[in-house]
Amino acid sequence: SQQGEEDPQALSIQEGENATMNCSYKTSINNLQWYRQNSGRGLVHLILIRSNEREKHSGRLRVTLDTSKKSSSLLITASRAADTASYFCATDVHSGNTPLVFGKGTRLSVIA
Amino acid sequence: GAVVSQHPSRVICKSGTSVKIECRSLDFQATTMFWYRQFPKQSLMLMATSNEGSKATYEQGVEKDKFLINHASLTLSTLTVTSAHPEDSSFYICSARDREQGAGEQYFGPGTRLTVT
Repeated sequence: SQQGEEDPQALSIQEGENATMNCSYKTSINNLQWYRQNSGRGLVHLILIRSNEREKHSGRLRVTLDTSKKSSSLLITASRAADTASYFCATDVHSGNTPLVFGKGTRLSVIA
Repeated sequence: GAVVSQHPSRVICKSGTSVKIECRSLDFQATTMFWYRQFPKQSLMLMATSNEGSKATYEQGVEKDKFLINHASLTLSTLTVTSAHPEDSSFYICSARDREQGAGEQYFGPGTRLTVT
């Protein structure tokens, strides 16, 4: 089963613009993670934000988490063509040995 | 960082045959590993949770007799697709947590692309 939804499902922007992707989920979480996946390749872990955190930065990435709304957003600033990929949020609902549950993902295309 | 490997990275097999995919944690021990399946342009769907020394737990709709999981050691889990059919063609990804770290990042293998002809 999937925890939630991402929107938009697909996003096409020009190089240099910012890209914002949103993720909603259904249950209480321990943390939320964002991953990138290039076409036909494995997952790349981008950032983890814990349930008691509201915002986190990593380079050109900014993630926010609103547990009251059960939503998160991923902002990529000054996008590059190399950022073209699918982006997934994944929720961790418990501590310990539980699987991550993935959203449906956003396909980002950055046009040079 | 922790590394999870998968072998093979790609496999093509004929309908009716069985294929084994290995998932290894290279520098940490994993009591639990997870198997996901991803169809083209879709997200990852959890298939099963592999527990070292005990039976795997399968998600609803996943046939346990078709997708055999063995977690023989703290660093190795295998997924065997038995009597493969073209509809089993997919990208299979395993993941594991470092049992020493508890909650936190889950480490993913690079995936195995299975094509059944």
